[in-house]
Amino acid sequence: QVQLQESGPGLVKPSETLSLTCTVSGASIGSGSYYWSWLRQPAGKGLELIARIYTSGSTDYDPSLKSRVTISVDTSKNQFSLKLSSVIAADTAVYYCARTLGWSRFDYWGQGILVTVSS
Amino acid sequence: QSALTQPASVSGSPGQSITISCTGTSSDVGNYNLVSWYQQYPGKAPKVMIYEGSKRPPGVSDRFSGSKSGNTASLTISGLQAEDEADYHCCSYAGRSTCVFGSGTKVTVL
Repeated sequence: QVQLQESGPGLVKPSETLSLTCTVSGASIGSGSYYWSWLRQPAGKGLELIARIYTSGSTDYDPSLKSRVTISVDTSKNQFSLKLSSVIAADTAVYYCARTLGWSRFDYWGQGILVTVSS
Repeated sequence: QSALTQPASVSGSPGQSITISCTGTSSDVGNYNLVSWYQQYPGKAPKVMIYEGSKRPPGVSDRFSGSKSGNTASLTISGLQAEDEADYHCCSYAGRSTCVFGSGTKVTVL
């Protein structure tokens, strides 16, 4: 059974960098035809794809966030990570990591982690 | 890209059928057969219920079905049950290596 678990600070100050890690078990990040994605959901709102990374290392970013986002993968630890720089209050959301099959579907999700941007 | 349009809420009585619409444009829903639907309980992660417009993952009840007409995709839940009360989100590939989600629909079982 594939499982994903997000980790990182729950509180980030404005203008600082949000850093999250997703640890994957039950599947190898470095093999298979999967993308590994970060999404977020502000309270009471819809979901938003932030970025995704393929097993080969190729990446896709949401155009509106691209200048502030970096996604990376550490196959030795079976983890992938998200960095979002210069955060503002509007970046407050529940952040999810997920496994993605092409553009077909997000089939396995982490439980989510609430990140609040506040001084 | 703009979010897909979903009704804020849909309700029905147990045993009834309900349909949730997801309206996009000819650049996303209308141009690709890559709409997926997700069920989300409060405080929980989303779960895929339908993918590629009408396919069901293993383990998902056949009471859930998906379809598309033009720029609008739909999720139908037949034989509505109390456990179906949740939020439902649609998602479509939008070209240029991006995807777009809907605003979400709250389903209430009366």
